[in-house]
Amino acid sequence: KQEVTQIPAALSVPEGENLVLNCSFTDSAIYNLQWFRQDPGKGLTSLLLIQSSQREQTSGRLNASLDKSSGRSTLYIAASQPGDSATYLCAAYSGSARQLTFGSGTQLTVLP
Amino acid sequence: GAVVSQHPSRVICKSGTSVKIECRSLDFQATTMFWYRQFPKQSLMLMATSNEGSKATYEQGVEKDKFLINHASLTLSTLTVTSAHPEDSSFYICSAIEGLGQPQHFGDGTRLSIL
Repeated sequence: KQEVTQIPAALSVPEGENLVLNCSFTDSAIYNLQWFRQDPGKGLTSLLLIQSSQREQTSGRLNASLDKSSGRSTLYIAASQPGDSATYLCAAYSGSARQLTFGSGTQLTVLP
Repeated sequence: GAVVSQHPSRVICKSGTSVKIECRSLDFQATTMFWYRQFPKQSLMLMATSNEGSKATYEQGVEKDKFLINHASLTLSTLTVTSAHPEDSSFYICSAIEGLGQPQHFGDGTRLSIL
């Protein structure tokens, strides 16, 4: 059974810092890995999706990497802003199970 | 981009009431829709997966008679919480996927509060 872990659970940084969020998964037979953002009381916004054949994806100040062999993904946020404050979730899609398995999230606070 | 609309966003009702939540894909046909439940400060827990025109597949521990799922068309799935009780209070989120390997798109969630 797939298990997804995110470290740290919470992170507080001053505005302008570059930061890395970590995600690990136990079953490397994934179809893709997706990073989401969740604001309090809201649904999920998809940030980046990395297919199993890819190593990274970039969107603006966000860069996500994937290393299937080690079961790890990272989300890099450059020049963080207070508006980046949210909970970031990673989720691995297992082709066999045909479902996303979510990590517990990293709650990010960017201080102005 | 792809949009999933979930309605209502918040429901407050008395114990014993049945509550229906709708999930619509607005600009794509969703072959599969998912229903999740999220407790405070926890991650999403998959409740069930539904494919258009077929019965939903429920995760272990989820009562299918309690949480009725209907996926009548490629753009609409509904979750009905039957005879809701305070322990059913939670944040329910739906998502939809156009095809295998495509991103999942999520609704904004429904905050259900049972008094």
